[in-house]
Amino acid sequence: AAGVIQSPRHLIKEKRETATLKCYPIPRHDTVYWYQQGPGQDPQFLISFYEKMQSDKGSIPDRFSAQQFSDYHSELNMSSLELGDSALYFCASSPKRGPYEQYFGPGTRLTVT
Amino acid sequence: AQTVTQSQPEMSVQEAETVTLSCTYDTSESDYYLFWYKQPPSRQMILVIRQEAYKQQNATENRFSVNFQKAAKSFSLKISDSQLGDAAMYFCAYRSADTGTASKLTFGTGTRLQVTL
Repeated sequence: AAGVIQSPRHLIKEKRETATLKCYPIPRHDTVYWYQQGPGQDPQFLISFYEKMQSDKGSIPDRFSAQQFSDYHSELNMSSLELGDSALYFCASSPKRGPYEQYFGPGTRLTVT
Repeated sequence: AQTVTQSQPEMSVQEAETVTLSCTYDTSESDYYLFWYKQPPSRQMILVIRQEAYKQQNATENRFSVNFQKAAKSFSLKISDSQLGDAAMYFCAYRSADTGTASKLTFGTGTRLQVTL
């Protein structure tokens, strides 16, 4: 079965640089979520989109922005990167209707040096 | 705001034995979903089991079952016949059933499960 695809899988950036993470949801899933998992921590919700509109917002820094495109893929843009942004970034997708199960991608490991 | 608490940072079980991981949550909502996710060393988040709050019957998926006590706001995971591949971090998660938004998952801090021979 098709799964959530995230790219790149690994990314190394320097402080103050910009990074773009991409997420391709499971086919027919219209809702995308972004989570950030720091070392030894549980995943923290950043932002979600339903039908290309922002649906919910969590503890996402103003330096970060995201959007969902017409083909339902989503991008998380991170600017002025800080050392503390080093984390595993997950994208998850779900259909809005139904059991509401969220299926996670493999994550993008971002390292800021 | 909803909170999820996992009071066991680490648990250990012998292969083929049974182990129960605890989870409690706090919410003022009456309709919601509860999940257990598994995160092995690969860091992939894998859905293990789901429970709808309106269902009294406890969910079961093969060797995994839950004990859902709505009044007590408790949601424990039982793993039977433990296997080496069950070794992972297990996260309990809460999700509102509010259909007005694409509701986020709120996770507990996780329980690291070790499986020994």
